[in-house]
Amino acid sequence: AQSVTQLGSHVSVSEGALVLLRCNYSSSVPPYLFWYVQYPNQGLQLLLKYTTGATLVKGINGFEAEFKKSETSFHLTKPSAHMSDAAEYFCAVSRGGSNYKLTFGKGTLLTVNP
Amino acid sequence: KAGVTQTPRYLIKTRGQQVTLSCSPISGHRSVSWYQQTPGQGLQFLFEYFSETQRNKGNFPGRFSGRQFSNSRSEMNVSTLELGDSALYLCASSLQLAGGLYNEQFFGPGTRLTVL
Repeated sequence: AQSVTQLGSHVSVSEGALVLLRCNYSSSVPPYLFWYVQYPNQGLQLLLKYTTGATLVKGINGFEAEFKKSETSFHLTKPSAHMSDAAEYFCAVSRGGSNYKLTFGKGTLLTVNP
Repeated sequence: KAGVTQTPRYLIKTRGQQVTLSCSPISGHRSVSWYQQTPGQGLQFLFEYFSETQRNKGNFPGRFSGRQFSNSRSEMNVSTLELGDSALYLCASSLQLAGGLYNEQFFGPGTRLTVL
């Protein structure tokens, strides 16, 4: 079975500060890992994904994440927060291949203070 | 290209009723997945359809069912509604290429179901 743990249900940063959202996963097979963002009253938008290859993954809006197998982590970072980054962020894991089931973490609400 | 569309966007039902939600995937996408999002349980996988066949299923009771049509549009049905079924129901579609390699899932805006 796969599972995802997001540390911190709410993270607050100042505009211009580093954003760090933590995600640890559990998977019995090499995982596919994802970060999604959800703005109020909207669906989920993919920020970035790790399937195979380079462990440092760059996504949209300046976000990046690093897959660390030894730590079973896939933390999301952005060097400088912008007010428009305020949203809820979800880490997810999949077995990949033809299995499209995503297992999500509980989410982290990011607040950006001016 | 139009995104994933879901209808209706909002729905209010009473306990015991049944409801049908609709999802139109991105043109050319053949895989459609459904998720339930609640404040308490978060995002949970319901089922996934590909070429009109249910390929994967989550841990939900039989009151939750779905189907996919030949044009890849999908519906999910919830019978005998309970208060706990109040949630945002999200649909996601994906382009299934040959070889079964994983492709990005694109999510719709969701249907907000309220059960009174």
